[in-house]
Amino acid sequence: GQNIDQPTEMTATEGAIVQINCTYQTSGFNGLFWYQQHAGEAPTFLSYNVLDGLEEKGRFSSFLSRSKGYSYLLLKELQMKDSASYLCAVRDGNYQLIWGAGTKLIIKP
Amino acid sequence: ETGVTQTPRHLVMGMTNKKSLKCEQHLGHNAMYWYKQSAKKPLELMFVYSLEERVENNSVPSRFSPECPNSSHLFLHLHTLQPEDSALYLCASSQNPSGSVNEQFFGPGTRLTVL
Repeated sequence: GQNIDQPTEMTATEGAIVQINCTYQTSGFNGLFWYQQHAGEAPTFLSYNVLDGLEEKGRFSSFLSRSKGYSYLLLKELQMKDSASYLCAVRDGNYQLIWGAGTKLIIKP
Repeated sequence: ETGVTQTPRHLVMGMTNKKSLKCEQHLGHNAMYWYKQSAKKPLELMFVYSLEERVENNSVPSRFSPECPNSSHLFLHLHTLQPEDSALYLCASSQNPSGSVNEQFFGPGTRLTVL
């Protein structure tokens, strides 16, 4: 079967750096997405990786290793507003998105 | 504001009721999706429409019935639901189901409670 694994919950301190990992096993691969979802709100797109390496976008970076079936989302200079759930999703060989259960990130002052 | 709106935002219904969820996208996209989001579970894809044709139906019970009258509107008709159907129902749209980046834009969801 296909599955996406990511930690259920993480805690970090304001101003620090946190890395959220995602491992996947899918039938084919056509890209990996990270979304942010604040409580009670819609998921919003953060990043997309289809080739190995690091994609940087401001305070957020996303890394992909296709050979290892692994990605991480790196958040720098954490702010209280970064408290949210972070969803990892992989587009499989049929272009269907397979979703992880999300990582709830708690930021403490 | 993502360009995708959903109504109602909250819905409480009994098991014998019939109700409909509405989604509208203002982004000119060709594909629309219904997802079910339950606590601590991955998003479950229910239906996909591309150019108003249903292209995905992931073994969803027949008590959920989608309708896509045009590329901007998507409905989910509900009847004789069960308490375990209580969840957040999210609508999303994208330029098309495949393609290069093709991220999905989500609406705020309808929080459904079945009594």
